[in-house]
Amino acid sequence: GNSVTQMEGPVTLSEEAFLTINCTYTATGYPSLFWYVQYPGEGLQLLLKATKADDKGSNKGFEATYRKETTSFHLEKGSVQVSDSAVYFCALKAGAQKLVFGQGTRLTINP
Amino acid sequence: SQTIHQWPATLVQPVGSPLSLECTVEGTSNPNLYWYRQAAGRGLQLLFYSVGIGQISSEVPQNLSASRPQDRQFILSSKKLLLSDSGFYLCAWSDPAGSSYNSPLHFGNGTRLTVT
Repeated sequence: GNSVTQMEGPVTLSEEAFLTINCTYTATGYPSLFWYVQYPGEGLQLLLKATKADDKGSNKGFEATYRKETTSFHLEKGSVQVSDSAVYFCALKAGAQKLVFGQGTRLTINP
Repeated sequence: SQTIHQWPATLVQPVGSPLSLECTVEGTSNPNLYWYRQAAGRGLQLLFYSVGIGQISSEVPQNLSASRPQDRQFILSSKKLLLSDSGFYLCAWSDPAGSSYNSPLHFGNGTRLTVT
């Protein structure tokens, strides 16, 4: 079946550090890939998405490139801020209705 | 613009009591609707989804049920809560129009349920 594997957290960085959160997937066909962010006490918000191989999704300084050859969709940001502290979920959609999520990675940015 | 409302935001209920969580969507018609649960320190588990009024698909056997009495209303219920039902419950919708292949989910702010 379809699945998403994220790097285990928690991840703790200093402000202005470079961020990478790894995400790999297993899916039949050609899924769409997503990153969601969950700030403390809130629901999930769509951060970015990519719908086909080599697409790059970007938003708020975050980027992720859909790599079909490595079945990956790693999230990156060049310089993180304290306000980026949140839980990040990688997800895929390979069917009509269902979104499959990774386990989530908790990110803490220290000033 | 579309909005999604979930309530209550927090809830503390004793074991064996009933549960009703409500979710409504505004600004769209015939959305796909979802209930997810996020247990402490764990990822998201899809509980139910619905593609139309009265159409509910259950993903995992459990103590909960869902209903969709109106197009933009989705209710999560239980007749008797268990301790293991504690968690963070998230309602979400997606647009069935266009390509459902890449339409994202839009989440409510969640309900934190503590069963004591």
